[in-house]
Amino acid sequence: SQTIHQWPATLVQPVGSPLSLECTVEGTSNPNLYWYRQAAGRGLQLLFYSVGIGQISSEVPQNLSASRPQDRQFILSSKKLLLSDSGFYLCAWSQGAGETQYFGPGTRLLVL
Amino acid sequence: RKEVEQDPGPFNVPEGATVAFNCTYSNSASQSFFWYRQDCRKEPKLLMSVYSSGNEDGRFTAQLNRASQYISLLIRDSKLSDSATYLCAVKPYSGGYQKVTFGTGTKLQVIP
Repeated sequence: SQTIHQWPATLVQPVGSPLSLECTVEGTSNPNLYWYRQAAGRGLQLLFYSVGIGQISSEVPQNLSASRPQDRQFILSSKKLLLSDSGFYLCAWSQGAGETQYFGPGTRLLVL
Repeated sequence: RKEVEQDPGPFNVPEGATVAFNCTYSNSASQSFFWYRQDCRKEPKLLMSVYSSGNEDGRFTAQLNRASQYISLLIRDSKLSDSATYLCAVKPYSGGYQKVTFGTGTKLQVIP
């Protein structure tokens, strides 16, 4: 069966510091991968998606970036965090374009 | 008009009650629909897909009304453990990558 991992689970970072969140998927190959952010009391905002290694599409322009160095690894990064980057970051995968998405446990980020 | 809209609630219902939520979508070309459940501070988990003919899974029934462009989720015999936020998700069919749009969720609180 497929599993999806995210780490760290929680993170407190000062404004201006860098960020690296990691997501890995097991039990499948060539998944579509997604990064979402969920701000407190708000809906899921799609940040990035990837259909293959090195292929990243950005949905929202911001100070975040994503990379996919391996088939089942998806990384979300920032060079300098803003207060507004605080939120619940969720990685998701789907098998094939647009099929049902399954979410990882998420990373709760607080920028102070 | 938002692409996907849900009543945020909260819906406060007694144990054993039947409760229904609706989710409206604006894109008439939408083809795939899902209900997710999200517990507090956790990731969304797939509850069920919504099929054109409607589908049932135990106490949960999902319906699609294409004419009025909404999907519904009916929960019978509510349990305390059903307390959560229910997110709907909608995906158009356009070939290739298909962006899933999530609603902001409806909060359900089942009361003893």
